[in-house]
Amino acid sequence: RKEVEQDPGPFNVPEGATVAFNCTYSNSASQSFFWYRQDCRKEPKLLMSVYSSGNEDGRFTAQLNRASQYISLLIRDSKLSDSATYLCVGDSMNRDDKIIFGKGTRLHILP
Amino acid sequence: NAGVTQTPKFRILKIGQSMTLQCTQDMNHNYMYWYRQDPGMGLKLIYYSVGAGITDKGEVPNGYNVSRSTTEDFPLRLELAAPSQTSVYFCASRPRSNEKLFFGSGTQLSVL
Repeated sequence: RKEVEQDPGPFNVPEGATVAFNCTYSNSASQSFFWYRQDCRKEPKLLMSVYSSGNEDGRFTAQLNRASQYISLLIRDSKLSDSATYLCVGDSMNRDDKIIFGKGTRLHILP
Repeated sequence: NAGVTQTPKFRILKIGQSMTLQCTQDMNHNYMYWYRQDPGMGLKLIYYSVGAGITDKGEVPNGYNVSRSTTEDFPLRLELAAPSQTSVYFCASRPRSNEKLFFGSGTQLSVL
């Protein structure tokens, strides 16, 4: 099983809609999780850290489900500018400090 | 703050040539990473370092070498460039485990 798995999409969503996608992870020792956003051929940029209690930042909500080993990202009232690839990553508590990214989920917001 | 700086931004190499991709950060971060991203694909970890003098292989290390003689610099060396190494290369750093990554703006490399 891959360390991090995401549905590659693309998700084609009309502007104003709510969209959610998940990311599953295999390492149950992972402690820290992050969602990054990547625009075409640009460097990834941090969107949100994911805390055990869940966290919200404006239209974005991130949740962590340790029992099922997945994290989720919910985008409300989607904007055209939300079109991007969303990458999730988990950190490991092992002495191995590799950071392995999922392939990302492509999101297209349609006017 | 400059953050993570990568040079060059673009480079075209001929098969068999060698080159070094430079990465430097001014945030005194211990951890540094090199990724490659092929068109339409995800980020693949090449090498990483948890401190000066320490380097480890990632998912796709073949054809590359790294060194970490200082905290600030983490150069990536291609010895015999091959077309399969055509990609965008990203360098990233973070202060310690469980912290977010800071990325450089990338180097677009073509091997022809």
